[in-house]
Formats: sequence, C-alpha cells, structure tokens
Amino acid sequence: DAKTTQPTSMDCAEGRAANLPCNHSTISGNEYVYWYRQIHSQGPQYIIHGLKNNETNEMASLIITEDRKSSTLILPHATLRDTAVYYCIVRLPGAAGNKLTFGGGTRVLVKP
Amino acid sequence: NAGVMQNPRHLVRRRGQEARLRCSPMKGHSHVYWYRQLPEEGLKFMVYLQKENIIDESGMPKERFSAEFPKEGPSILRIQQVVRGDSAAYFCASSPPYQETQYFGPGTRLLVL
Repeated sequence: DAKTTQPTSMDCAEGRAANLPCNHSTISGNEYVYWYRQIHSQGPQYIIHGLKNNETNEMASLIITEDRKSSTLILPHATLRDTAVYYCIVRLPGAAGNKLTFGGGTRVLVKP
Repeated sequence: NAGVMQNPRHLVRRRGQEARLRCSPMKGHSHVYWYRQLPEEGLKFMVYLQKENIIDESGMPKERFSAEFPKEGPSILRIQQVVRGDSAAYFCASSPPYQETQYFGPGTRLLVL
C-alpha cells in the first residue's frame, strides 16, 4: 500500500471547518483513500473513503486532487467531540487490501 | 444493528497466564480482523479471518498467539503464557462479504502484571 504523510497535529476552533491534509504521492491507480479517526481510548471509527471523485457523507467531505497525490478531509463544523487522531490510509481493493496500515495520523484538538 | 462487540473490555493477567479475547462481528459480517495498539503507538494489523479460515496472519507473532473464527460463535484471539510486552489494546474489526470498509469494536485492554 502507498505511504501517506500527515501533519502531526493541528488545532481548530469549535464551529469552524477543519481541513485535514494528507499526502499520498505514490498512490497507484486502483488504491482507495480511507479516513478513520480514533477518539481517546475508543476503537477507530470509519469516516469516509474515495477513489477519484470527491465524496460527502453525514460526517465529512473528502476532496481528492485530480492527480490523486493528495487529499483533504473536511469536517464542516467542528465540535469538541471531534477531538481525535485522524488517520489517512491508502489501500488496495479486494483481498489485497485487507490490512489497514495506520501511520501516525494527525492529532486534532478542537478548542472552544 | 449492534456494532462490533468485544469482551472483556479490560483484562488483567499475570505473567505466564493465558488471555482469551472475544470478538462478535456485526450482523451479516463474515470477515474479522484483529489489530494491536501498544501504549503510545499506532495500530498494527495482526490477522484476517473468514469463517473457519485464517486468510492472512502476517502480523501475528510467531509464538504464543493464535486466532480462530469458528462457524458458530465469536472470533477468539488467544495469547498463551502472556508477558508484560503483551500489554496493549486489542481491537477487532469486521466487514461484510464483498464490501471492504472495516468497522471496529471498542477494544480489549490487556494488562499483564
């Protein structure tokens, strides 16, 4: 699986949008971009994933650049409960992608 | 639909004892994955199972660790003769057939004294 690079940490203000970048410059054509988060002492929580097109669900939006070398996770209105470590993961589809490879992630602190 | 269930949530063992961690996947999910998170470290893949089959155990330590997912009942991660270095959070995830998003349970925190 391709390697990802994320900022170690970032702060954001409650109520504002949080934009979390991820670099995956070695991504291959059939690899998906997945985002998970881990709130302190809890299991990882799936947020969103995409291949080429931008995606949106009730939690977040995922913007993938046209060359697919980077992406941005957007939390539209951050709340204190969004404080967590956010992981950007690139994985192959099918059985070849059964392992999720977690890097260091971005530690996001939402401040009042 | 209940999420992935893991029990116990906390487990304390003395060195040399056995630890058994159980994972009940979400309804309709036949694929189970185990991950380990050592203190202050990231999550590491251990093993991927389907019903009655181990598909990928490339992340499992070669000794003392085993996993199963029987036809009936939960998946079990078994650690024999535990050592202090086994102290960690163990997370189970599941996914349905033909769909690859993994959904995680709350984890079991193992403390070896």
